[in-house]
Amino acid sequence: DTAVSQTPKYLVTQMGNDKSIKCEQNLGHDTMYWYKQDSKKFLKIMFSYNNKELIINETVPNRFSPKSPDKAHLNLHINSLELGDSAVYFCASSQAVGGSSYNEQFFGPGTRLTVL
Amino acid sequence: DAKTTQPNSMESNEEEPVHLPCNHSTISGTDYIHWYRQLPSQGPEYVIHGLTSNVNNRMASLAIAEDRKSSTLILHRATLRDAAVYYCILRDPNFGNEKLTFGTGTRLTIIP
Repeated sequence: DTAVSQTPKYLVTQMGNDKSIKCEQNLGHDTMYWYKQDSKKFLKIMFSYNNKELIINETVPNRFSPKSPDKAHLNLHINSLELGDSAVYFCASSQAVGGSSYNEQFFGPGTRLTVL
Repeated sequence: DAKTTQPNSMESNEEEPVHLPCNHSTISGTDYIHWYRQLPSQGPEYVIHGLTSNVNNRMASLAIAEDRKSSTLILHRATLRDAAVYYCILRDPNFGNEKLTFGTGTRLTIIP
């Protein structure tokens, strides 16, 4: 059983195109995330959604638009792709609990995006 | 965000214990210490976390210094499957569970 799944696994496209990456989790979590891991392997959070509402937006260009149709899905749409968007994008989910309680984040396998 | 400092890389022999250090001298009194690891070509996975006391789970142990300015992740008996990049992360609970800031991590190589 795949807990957090992403499609596609690989995505190769031309500069200027618009593309989407889909993410689904079957863990019943109410919080989902998108992370970007660049060529130097730095892993940075981009967005976080809780119950379909945006709660973290880490100064990501507005060419990136996350969409959460329901709690189990968080898709990432990217407009006008640029060379610098080439990276591995990871989706994650967790059950949000505030304060001192903590529920771990579960990550998907990643989508390797290559912009030519 | 309070920063963590880890060695870029470490090597260990298979079936031996591994001690992965992390320095966090600017940690605040409420920051939790988390460890995640990323196996090759996979997404990160949670390992362990703690606040002040040492913690054990099925994957590892976390030893936290008394002044909390450093911590050590202990893998009791390394296997080849433990080869990964290990990230030490500080989490401010005032930001909930969502805010994890990954650093550069330690690349652990296991020698058969």
